[in-house]
Amino acid sequence: SQQGEEDPQALSIQEGENATMNCSYKTSINNLQWYRQNSGRGLVHLILIRSNEREKHSGRLRVTLDTSKKSSSLLITASRAADTASYFCATVGTGGGNKLTFGTGTQLKVEL
Amino acid sequence: DTGVSQDPRHKITKRGQNVTFRCDPISEHNRLYWYRQTLGQGPEFLTYFQNEAQLEKSRLLSDRFSAERPKGSFSTLEIQRTEQGDSAMYLCASSLGWGGLNTEAFFGQGTRLTVV
Repeated sequence: SQQGEEDPQALSIQEGENATMNCSYKTSINNLQWYRQNSGRGLVHLILIRSNEREKHSGRLRVTLDTSKKSSSLLITASRAADTASYFCATVGTGGGNKLTFGTGTQLKVEL
Repeated sequence: DTGVSQDPRHKITKRGQNVTFRCDPISEHNRLYWYRQTLGQGPEFLTYFQNEAQLEKSRLLSDRFSAERPKGSFSTLEIQRTEQGDSAMYLCASSLGWGGLNTEAFFGQGTRLTVV
C-alpha cells in the first residue's frame, strides 16, 4: 500500500522556473527520501532527510520536512528540460523500519 | 561497481505460464528488495532480504510468488501461473546497512512483465 500522496499529481513549468512538490505521509518515520524516475526506467535517489532534520540542500534541490504535519516538500530551482521525470517521496518507518514505502508521485514536465 | 542489474528487461508471457526474473545487486550490499510498479503508481513493496534471509513479505506477495536469494548474492523472483493482473514493472533495489534503513537504495532498471 502507498504511504501517502504527492501533490500535485502533475506539474508543467517553463525552463528556468522553480518546481515545488509536496508529499504527505501517514505514520511516524525514521527518514524520508526523494527519488526521480525517468519514463519507464528505474528510480534514482535524490536526497535523504532524517526525522530530526528540518531542511536539506543538494545542488538545485531543497527538501523540507515537517514531522508535526507529516509532510515534506521538494523544491527544484532553475529547472531544466532534463528534470522532466516523475518524482516520488518514500518513507522509512520508525522502530527499525527496513523498507521504503512510496507515495503516488508527481509527474513534472519542464518545457523549453 | 556496475549498479543493480535486472534480467530480462522485458518479458511477454501467456496467462498461466511461469516466469522468473533475476536481480544482481551491488556486490557489497547486504540488503535486497523487490518492488512492483503499475502505470501511474508508486512502487509497492513485495519482499526484502538481509543477506540470504527473507525477512519480510508483503500481503501483495501471493502464494504464486516466490523469491530467493541463495548465498546472499543474486536474487530471483518467480511468478507461477501468471495472471493478467501480474502485468507490471518489477523493480529490484539493494542497499548496505544494518538495523533500520538509514541509507539510500539503488534501483535496477526493472523488468517489465506483460501477461497476454
